[in-house]
Amino acid sequence: AQRVTQPEKLLSVFKGAPVELKCNYSYSGSPELFWYVQYSRQRLQLLLRHISRESIKGFTADLNKGETSFHLKKPFAQEEDSAMYYCALRAGGTSYGKLTFGQGTILTVHP
Amino acid sequence: AAGVIQSPRHLIKEKRETATLKCYPIPRHDTVYWYQQGPGQDPQFLISFYEKMQSDKGSIPDRFSAQQFSDYHSELNMSSLELGDSALYFCASSSYGETQYFGPGTRLLVL
Repeated sequence: AQRVTQPEKLLSVFKGAPVELKCNYSYSGSPELFWYVQYSRQRLQLLLRHISRESIKGFTADLNKGETSFHLKKPFAQEEDSAMYYCALRAGGTSYGKLTFGQGTILTVHP
Repeated sequence: AAGVIQSPRHLIKEKRETATLKCYPIPRHDTVYWYQQGPGQDPQFLISFYEKMQSDKGSIPDRFSAQQFSDYHSELNMSSLELGDSALYFCASSSYGETQYFGPGTRLLVL
């Protein structure tokens, strides 16, 4: 079975400060990792997927298979980054497709 | 661009009643996923369909059933509703194996 852990329920930073949202996973196979973001009263939106290795809105995330982590980072946080962030894992095999989510981290960026 | 549509957006039911939630995927998406998010919890996978056939099943109660129709829209039928069924129900769609795009959710309140 797969599991995703986001150890921080709440994270507060000031505008312009670096931010790192932690995500650890456990899965015996080769996972696909995603970050989804949910702004206030909006739907879940894909922020990043590790396969594409792209940077969206200044956020990056690197899959570290040795540490089984997929931390989300941004060097300079903006107020509009305040939102709920979910790390999610998609397994292979017969469970291909469904996402397993972490508990989510509420990021608040203060002016 | 067209997004995933869910209806209704809000639903209030009494215990032991029945509810039907609908999901209209993005055009040309052949896979639909249903997730349940209880208060303060992460989204939990319920069930998915690929090309109108059930492709995976998660922690979906026997009181719930779902199907995907010929036009690819999906319906989640919930019977004998319980207080604990109060949650936000997300639908997501994708081309098989590709990124999942989420709908706005249906907020169900069981009284």
